[in-house]
Amino acid sequence: LAKTTQPISMDSYEGQEVNITCSHNNIATNDYITWYQQFPSQGPRFIIQGYKTKVTNEVASLFIPADRKSSTLSLPRVSLSDTAVYYCLVGTGDDKIIFGKGTRLHILP
Amino acid sequence: GAVVSQHPSRVICKSGTSVKIECRSLDFQATTMFWYRQFPKKSLMLMATSNEGSKATYEQGVEKDKFLINHASLTLSTLTVTSAHPEDSSFYICSARRQGNNSPLHFGNGTRLTVT
Repeated sequence: LAKTTQPISMDSYEGQEVNITCSHNNIATNDYITWYQQFPSQGPRFIIQGYKTKVTNEVASLFIPADRKSSTLSLPRVSLSDTAVYYCLVGTGDDKIIFGKGTRLHILP
Repeated sequence: GAVVSQHPSRVICKSGTSVKIECRSLDFQATTMFWYRQFPKKSLMLMATSNEGSKATYEQGVEKDKFLINHASLTLSTLTVTSAHPEDSSFYICSARRQGNNSPLHFGNGTRLTVT
């Protein structure tokens, strides 16, 4: 499993766009990149998944450069309710999922 | 809506007793489920991989005789914390994945175990 590195924490303000970058230098050819969000005392929730270039859904965008050694989760116009821990994971559907430390995002009013 | 249901959400038990936590995939079959535990302000730690119809695979350092896992059907896995001690108090989370290439994991809402 590719190891991931993310910033430990980030602060932002309501209405801003937030970009969280994850490094995964050892990503394998078959690995996908998946981001999860976790609120206190809840299980993680799937946000977005991608393999290359750009993926967008109703809550976020995921940017993946050509070398795939990093990825950036983009949250448009965040609100207080986006305060959570965000985890970046890489692997295939056959892998067990090992979580890194995640990024603690704190949205300020 | 939730696709993985975990029960109970919260349990308090006395030292020496056993506690069973259930994890159900609601609208898909899961040959594999994963059990995690999480301490406050920490990340999820994988405890074991639950395999339907066969023995679970435990991560290094996780006592298989203490954390009994049973995956008797394609929609249900259970984790039993045997002879619980206060240090077993934690947040336990299960997850399952739909069949299909690179399907993301779906997580239960966790079980807060407090051992007194």
